[in-house]
Amino acid sequence: GQNIDQPTEMTATEGAIVQINCTYQTSGFNGLFWYQQHAGEAPTFLSYNVLDGLEEKGRFSSFLSRSKGYSYLLLKELQMKDSASYLCAAKNSGNTPLVFGKGTRLSVIA
Amino acid sequence: EPEVTQTPSHQVTQMGQEVILRCVPISNHLYFYWYRQILGQKVEFLVSFYNNEISEKSEIFDDQFSVERPDGSNFTLKIRSTKLEDSAMYFCASSEGGGPGNEQFFGPGTRLTVL
Repeated sequence: GQNIDQPTEMTATEGAIVQINCTYQTSGFNGLFWYQQHAGEAPTFLSYNVLDGLEEKGRFSSFLSRSKGYSYLLLKELQMKDSASYLCAAKNSGNTPLVFGKGTRLSVIA
Repeated sequence: EPEVTQTPSHQVTQMGQEVILRCVPISNHLYFYWYRQILGQKVEFLVSFYNNEISEKSEIFDDQFSVERPDGSNFTLKIRSTKLEDSAMYFCASSEGGGPGNEQFFGPGTRLTVL
């Protein structure tokens, strides 16, 4: 079976750092993706990990531990516009579709 | 920057009617996908398409659904006889390749409302 778990909601303060965790169980593994989705809009790609470790991209970083089936997305210097849902998604293998978690709704407050 | 486009942005239809949702993937992409998202729920995979045929489909993608690439640019999703539970946001996505690390680019979505 396939299962992706992430917290439903988080709140953080403008300028702070927030970590959104994701655990996954998939029959195979060929990459872990993070997408951002503002309400009523399409998911937009943030990051991708296939090897263990940290990938940094400006204010956003993503970490993967394949042995633990665990990833996190780290957002630094939070801005109000970062208020959105953050979707963790995994690929089983090769040309397979993304399996999405339910998303974590992040609210950034002043 | 190239992007996936979808039309219409909103579609309202009566139960039992047929709808066709249209997508124009990014021009050099070879893999195409349809996903749907019921309001407040997670994004769910429907179907993937490569080399003019379906490569994978989910349990949701039953006989009421079909996909087509009628020409070199469009990719369509048809629902033959819509049901109330088909009301959702439908996203088209495309990727250059199918292997690991090939980012899927999503279109803006079509909001389908079945009355």
